[in-house]
Amino acid sequence: SAVISQKPSRDICQRGTSLTIQCQVDSQVTMMFWYRQQPGQSLTLIATANQGSEATYESGFVIDKFPISRPNLTFSTLTVSNLSPEDSSIYLCSGGQGRTDTQYFGPGTRLTVL
Amino acid sequence: SQELEQSPQSLIVQEGKNLTINCTSSKTLYGLYWYKQKYGEGLIFLMMLQKGGEEKSHEKITAKLDEKKQQSSLHITASQPSHAGIYLCGADSGAGNNRKLIWGLGTSLAVNP
Repeated sequence: SAVISQKPSRDICQRGTSLTIQCQVDSQVTMMFWYRQQPGQSLTLIATANQGSEATYESGFVIDKFPISRPNLTFSTLTVSNLSPEDSSIYLCSGGQGRTDTQYFGPGTRLTVL
Repeated sequence: SQELEQSPQSLIVQEGKNLTINCTSSKTLYGLYWYKQKYGEGLIFLMMLQKGGEEKSHEKITAKLDEKKQQSSLHITASQPSHAGIYLCGADSGAGNNRKLIWGLGTSLAVNP
């Protein structure tokens, strides 16, 4: 298994600003993912973070709004840009060996946009 | 697209009681995951089921996979306050270029001492 840490654990941001979330894995995982968990909705995959190259985004998510970096196998960042109240959500990173293999999750970042 | 429906949406039980949570898929299940989430925490992996009829246990939690019904059930025996949280099922979306895990809405469990 992998132990995954995220920071910040929570933040309150103003409309129009950006928030960058960091995710660190304690062991090398093949794949890292970013999810959004909005109130009353199921966990939604934003993108797969690829080491050294552009992330692979799911339908409905774009790089301009959710730029992602993964400079090495154990670290990734997600930026949520040009924040609006609709971006208020929990953001989770996870790591695993494949897209449909067991994923291990970080503790999440609770974002509130005013 | 495949959808996962969890039932019940929420559950309140007295400590010591048994309970069952179901996760039903709209399509064939290729792999089914159960996770637990506590407020302010990430998802904790409980177990993964792949084959029809497979049954696994994690402490007092048992999960089964019924391929024919496209359903998995999670059973907690002699519930304790430590079992409280949100239980999420996730499934392999199956064949296709965009294969990924999809998720149910979760079942919120409260256990009263």
